[in-house]
Amino acid sequence: DAGVIQSPRHEVTEMGQEVTLRCKPISGHNSLFWYRQTMMRGLELLIYFNNNVPIDDSGMPEDRFSAKMPNASFSTLKIQPSEPRDSAVYFCASSSTGPDTQYFGPGTRLTVL
Amino acid sequence: GESVGLHLPTLSVQEGDNSIINCAYSNSASDYFIWYKQESGKGPQFIIDIRSNMDKRQGQRVTVLLNKTVKHLSLQIAATQPGDSAVYFCAENWGGGADGLTFGKGTHLIIQP
Repeated sequence: DAGVIQSPRHEVTEMGQEVTLRCKPISGHNSLFWYRQTMMRGLELLIYFNNNVPIDDSGMPEDRFSAKMPNASFSTLKIQPSEPRDSAVYFCASSSTGPDTQYFGPGTRLTVL
Repeated sequence: GESVGLHLPTLSVQEGDNSIINCAYSNSASDYFIWYKQESGKGPQFIIDIRSNMDKRQGQRVTVLLNKTVKHLSLQIAATQPGDSAVYFCAENWGGGADGLTFGKGTHLIIQP
């Protein structure tokens, strides 16, 4: 199995630009999670989907953040407009309907200048 | 180990010795716990999990202990190797139907030759 796939691995953009992060979960997993990791706040859950439906988005920082899961094999996290404080590593993880072991992708390192 | 702000607690052990990493979790209703290992530039990697109906679980070279009375979780690594150097996170699922994980701040394990 290829594991969770994320793209891009690195993204550098300027304040105000739109950023789209992509994730392909492990085939057969029903749940998909987006996390953000910063030095100050550690790993934080942003949103998670079960069977492509958003279940809990209470961790999404503000309206500039949105996430979609149009099918079982693809999800996006979009930031529009981006701000320097959004700079972080964003991880996608997937699991069987749980709670169960979550497998993480390699992350996208986002830098907003 | 708990951390405050930017400073992760650090545990330094000699190669071949046993390591014990501690974690105080936050929610007495949590029913599922996972230990993750994160190496620099990579996503968290699953090590071992335990459900609240158990107090001990063993894997290959690793053991997780759960003390629900004091909300304490520990990870024991036997005969540590250089490849064990990483940041270790405990994570808890709060139950109640929500599948997201809440992560601790992490402990940096350093293996001395």
